[in-house]
Amino acid sequence: DAKTTQPNSMESNEEEPVHLPCNHSTISGTDYIHWYRQLPSQGPEYVIHGLTSNVNNRMASLAIAEDRKSSTLILHRATLRDAAVYYCILRSNQGGKLIFGQGTELSVKP
Amino acid sequence: DSGVTQTPKHLITATGQRVTLRCSPRSGDLSVYWYQQSLDQGLQFLIHYYNGEERAKGNILERFSAQQFPDLHSELNLSSLELGDSALYFCASSVGVGGGETQYFGPGTRLLVL
Repeated sequence: DAKTTQPNSMESNEEEPVHLPCNHSTISGTDYIHWYRQLPSQGPEYVIHGLTSNVNNRMASLAIAEDRKSSTLILHRATLRDAAVYYCILRSNQGGKLIFGQGTELSVKP
Repeated sequence: DSGVTQTPKHLITATGQRVTLRCSPRSGDLSVYWYQQSLDQGLQFLIHYYNGEERAKGNILERFSAQQFPDLHSELNLSSLELGDSALYFCASSVGVGGGETQYFGPGTRLLVL
C-alpha cells in the first residue's frame, strides 16, 4: 500500500482558510486520495476524495497536483468545530480497508 | 449521525473474559469494516465483511473473530481478553468495496479491560 506523509500538527485562526498538505510520491495510477477527519471522542468522518481532478464539496476542497504525488485539503473558513485530526489516505481502486497514518492534528484558535 | 450504530458504547470487563461488540450498518450498505484504535497503535484495520462473507483480514488476533449476519449487522467477538485489548473499536460501512467509495464510521465502543 502506498504511503502518505503529513505534518504532525498545524494551527489556524478561526474564519481563515486552512491548507493541509499531503505527500504521496509512490501513488499508483489507480489510487484514490481520500481525506477523513476525527474529532475528539468521535469516529472518523469522511471529508472528501478524488482521483485526478480537483474536487469540491460542502465541507472542503481537494487540490491534486498534476503528477498526483501530492494533494492539499482546503478548508475555506476554519471554525472551532474543524479542530480534529485529518488523515490523508490512499486507496486502491479495489477498495477495501483504509490505512490510517498519524494524520495532522489541526487546532483552530478563536 | 453517520447512520452506523454500535453497541454498547462502553464496556468494562476483566482479563480473561469474552465480549461481543455489535454493529449495524447504514441501510443498504453491504460492507462492514472493523477497526481498533489504541493510544500506541493508532487506527488499525481488523477485518472486512461484504454481504456476509469475509473479504479481508488485517492485524486481527486469533482471539478475535467476527461475522456478518444475513440482516447485514456484524459482531466482533473478543475472547481471553488482555489489558492490551483496551481500545476504541469502530465499525464502518459502505455500499460496496470500490476504491472511490466512502466508509461511514460508527461512534465506537470503548473497551476497558481491567
